[in-house]
This record gives sequence, C-alpha cells and structure tokens, in this order.
Amino acid sequence: QKEVDQDPGPLSVPEGAIVSLNCTYSNSAFQYFMWYRQYSRKGPELLMYTYSSGNKEDGRFTAQVDKSSKYISLFIRDSQPSDSATYLCAMSTGANSKLTFGKGITLSVRP
Amino acid sequence: GAVVSQHPSWVICKSGTSVKIECRSLDFQATTMFWYRQFPKQSLMLMATSNEGSKATYEQGVEKDKFLINHASLTLSTLTVTSAHPEDSSFYICSAPAQTSGSGGGTPAAQYFGPGTRLTVT
Repeated sequence: QKEVDQDPGPLSVPEGAIVSLNCTYSNSAFQYFMWYRQYSRKGPELLMYTYSSGNKEDGRFTAQVDKSSKYISLFIRDSQPSDSATYLCAMSTGANSKLTFGKGITLSVRP
Repeated sequence: GAVVSQHPSWVICKSGTSVKIECRSLDFQATTMFWYRQFPKQSLMLMATSNEGSKATYEQGVEKDKFLINHASLTLSTLTVTSAHPEDSSFYICSAPAQTSGSGGGTPAAQYFGPGTRLTVT
C-alpha cells in the first residue's frame, strides 16, 4: 500500500466547475497536511495547510482532513483557466519533518 | 506567506564541472531545509535534509559525495553538484518550514518551496 495515494488524472473541467481533488494515506502518524499547486517549470506554491483534522477555507479553496478515514480533499470553487496546473498533496509527521507527496494530478480548466 | 529564493534559476555547465545552487529563506530563519530533484512529468524526489550547523541527511540512493550540501547559516543552504554528468540534468528545488501567516507563536509550520533551478549538463 502506498504511503500517500493520489489519482494522477489528468482531470479536465469546464470553467466555473467545482473541482474535487483527493488523497488517501496509510501512515496514521501524519499530522500536517498541505496542498500545493505547481505550474510547469516552477516550484510548488503552497495553497492550503491544515494541522490535524478539520476544514479550512481560503477564497475559492477549501481543504478538508479526515484523519479517521485517512483521507484529505481540496475543493476549488468557480474554477478558472488560471487554475490549470498540477496539484500535489503532501503530508508530514512533524513540523520540520520531510514531506511525503502524492504523485500529483494535472488539472485543466477549459474556457 | 514565507519566501524562499533560489539562485541561479537556470544554469548550463559542461560535463565534469561543478555547479553550486543557493537556497535562501528571505523573511524567516530555517534550521532545516530540504533539497529535491524533479524530472519532467514526475513528482518531487527528496534528495537530502539540510541542517544548520550539522551534516546533511541524505536519502537512500543519493550520493553524498556528489551532491554536497552546506547549511552555513539560518537563511542559506547550498547544493553543489560535483563532477556533473548529463544524467544530473534536472530541476532542483529547495524548501523550508516556516510559520504560516496568522498562526501565532509556537504553531506548527508549513513548508515553502523555492522557484527551482534548472540544471542542464552538456
């Protein structure tokens, strides 16, 4: 079983759609959960960060963590063509610990 | 959010030469930094953990004598690719943990990434 599993897609949606991205994990010691957006030939950009379980909302983005199910999600509302990128989930066991990444999913938002 | 910079953003070097890549935390201090490499259409692969004032910790399969890491201060870590070969051509990215905005003192940290350095070895 992979430590972090993420459907690699690709995913294509029309502009304005709600996008749901998910990752599952097997290591119950993970406490810190992040979503990154990466454009081609750029470093990953932190989108959302959650410590332990719960929901967090920031503009059009909502992150959810369900530790009981070992499942995290990222929702993007009113998706825009500029959201077209690769989205990576990442998690760690400690604040200064190394990250374990999902494979990343490539999202394309069609105008 | 916290800002991490890298220099250079792109470098071309000849086979057999060495190349140094710098990673700086611009508005925070980082006792730990991480170095990754990424091949096209693949996810990031952790190479090593850089610790300020002590030796780096390398991931399995990464040659520590080839990829030299120095974390000389709380804001700077360097990665030197020694005797570079064409197969070392890749995208190298660093990251560092920092407090998230509005989190207050003592709150766990998220990791912020630099913009990456594209290395081409000819």
